[in-house]
Amino acid sequence: EAGVVQSPRYKIIEKKQPVAFWCNPISGHNTLYWYRQNLGQGPELLIRYENEEAVDDSQLPKDRFSAERLKGVDSTLKIQPAELGDSAVYLCASSSLAGGRADTQYFGPGTRLTVL
Amino acid sequence: SQKIEQNSEALNIQEGKTATLTCNYTNYSPAYLQWYRQDPGRGPVFLLLIRENEKEKRKERLKVTFDTTLKQSLFHITASQPADSATYLCALATGGFKTIFGAGTRLFVKA
Repeated sequence: EAGVVQSPRYKIIEKKQPVAFWCNPISGHNTLYWYRQNLGQGPELLIRYENEEAVDDSQLPKDRFSAERLKGVDSTLKIQPAELGDSAVYLCASSSLAGGRADTQYFGPGTRLTVL
Repeated sequence: SQKIEQNSEALNIQEGKTATLTCNYTNYSPAYLQWYRQDPGRGPVFLLLIRENEKEKRKERLKVTFDTTLKQSLFHITASQPADSATYLCALATGGFKTIFGAGTRLFVKA
């Protein structure tokens, strides 16, 4: 079974430029998460989808971040424009349970973003 | 304020010994708690889940305890091996089943 796929693995951009990250979850997983992980910290949730609906985007900085999961499968996270403080690893995870039941999250390898 | 605390200092132990990692939390009433392992350059990998009504959970050389009175979980690796060296993350599922991660504890197992 293929795991969570993310691309690109690394991205270096200059501040004020746009950037997009792509995630393909494990087949059949209806819940998808985007996290941001700063060095030495744990992952922090940005947005959670159940199918194509964003059920928790309270931590997403909506002035510059956007996300979509149009067909309830793969997802894209965008930053426009990027700031120096956005440098971090962006992790995507998926799980097969929804509706608040206990779930095990399967993470992708992450995209390491460096903003210069 | 709500807080999850894991030992920020790295834990160094000798191969064959038991590693014990601590996760303390305040102002949460988690429905369950999970432990994940994270290697450099990789995403976290799920290890164990323990629910609020469970005291202990085991899986091979791993053991997790959960004390909701002390607001603490302990994660044990028995007969530790150098391959166990990694960062271990504690994660709480809060009301609404939002998962909150701790900062993790780095474990180094010396041969």
